[in-house]
Amino acid sequence: KQEVTQIPAALSVPEGENLVLNCSFTDSAIYNLQWFRQDPGKGLTSLLLIQSSQREQTSGRLNASLDKSSGRSTLYIAASQPGDSATYLCAVQMIKAAGNKLTFGGGTRVLVKP
Amino acid sequence: EAGVTQFPSHSVIEKGQTVTLRCDPISGHDNLYWYRRVMGKEIKFLLHFVKESKQDESGMPNNRFLAERTGGTYSTLKVQPAELEDSGVYFCASSRAGIMNTEAFFGQGTRLTVV
Repeated sequence: KQEVTQIPAALSVPEGENLVLNCSFTDSAIYNLQWFRQDPGKGLTSLLLIQSSQREQTSGRLNASLDKSSGRSTLYIAASQPGDSATYLCAVQMIKAAGNKLTFGGGTRVLVKP
Repeated sequence: EAGVTQFPSHSVIEKGQTVTLRCDPISGHDNLYWYRRVMGKEIKFLLHFVKESKQDESGMPNNRFLAERTGGTYSTLKVQPAELEDSGVYFCASSRAGIMNTEAFFGQGTRLTVV
């Protein structure tokens, strides 16, 4: 059974510092891994999707890496801003799963202090 | 392009009552999913539609939950009768046709509170 873990559960940094968010998964048989952002009371916003054949994806200040063999992904956010404060979730799509349902981690709650 | 839309955004009901949640996926998306997050836990899969057909309902907790997708467009999730442990946030997501490697887009969720 796939388990997805995100550490730390919460993170507080001063504005301008780089953010490093970790996601680990127990079963490396995945199609892809997706990073989401959730603001309080809002839905999930897709940030990046990394295919299993890719090592990383970049979008603006965001960079996500994937090491499938070791079951790890890292989301880097450069030069953090107070607007980056949110909960960040990672989710994997399993090869063995029917359809493409996602298995989620518990999330990392980020606070960027001005 | 409109995103995934869910109604209502919040619902407070008494134990034993019935509640129906609605999801309008992105137009043209064949895949529609329901997920939920109960207090302190991870977001968990409930079920998956491909057009109007249930592809996978392995995550449905029990027979008090009934999901439908009329004509392959919007979907409803009915809880009858609601219990206290059903409280949580219910998310809907949609993606394009096909099974693998398709990006999922989520709605804002419905926060259900059963008192």
